Amino acid sequence: NAGVTQTPKFQVLKTGQSMTLQCAQDMNHEYMSWYRQDPGMGLRLIHYSVGAGITDQGEVPNGYNVSRSTTEDFPLRLLSAAPSQTSVYFCASSSTPYNSPLHFGNGTRLTVT
Amino acid sequence: SQQGEEDPQALSIQEGENATMNCSYKTSINNLQWYRQNSGRGLVHLILIRSNEREKHSGRLRVTLDTSKKSSSLLITASRAADTASYFCATDPAAGNKLTFGGGTRVLVKP
Repeated sequence: NAGVTQTPKFQVLKTGQSMTLQCAQDMNHEYMSWYRQDPGMGLRLIHYSVGAGITDQGEVPNGYNVSRSTTEDFPLRLLSAAPSQTSVYFCASSSTPYNSPLHFGNGTRLTVT
Repeated sequence: SQQGEEDPQALSIQEGENATMNCSYKTSINNLQWYRQNSGRGLVHLILIRSNEREKHSGRLRVTLDTSKKSSSLLITASRAADTASYFCATDPAAGNKLTFGGGTRVLVKP
């Protein structure tokens, strides 16, 4: 059972470039979310989805887009990368939006130069 | 802004000792969760405690929740070198489904 799979593991972008971080889960979880982790700041919620076709903004959504066309996939798009988006990005899923533990992927380390 | 704040930020203990870390939060919650993160890896869920529960155990882990003080504690008993990790509390708010994480406690267990 793969759980939550994130690709790529590492990425370097130049300022202004765009890219998509991939996230897939094979647990038939309804809820999926994206967090970024910066030193000393814990994890901050970027976007989340409670089911296919439904997405909503978290705490730090600016500069990112998401879509949820299937239950399994929840890609995160950086529209025009900025150095402030240098971070480690985690995708997570849970069976329900409430009272359920999150299952995390192993993260994507992104550097924007 | 962070809903949960862990204390201390870092903790260094000898193998076999107990480790205690605390989490304070600001608003009403449905539940509070604790996660562990090993270096370079994703977070792993440890325990979920609901707002109507006061204590929960899982193996060597003990979590308490005091909703009147808006605080929780995680106790790791008889620590092992493999417990070296960062530990995060996360709160599931009473309104909405945005699990919010604190900044974490870094625990070093020395052999």
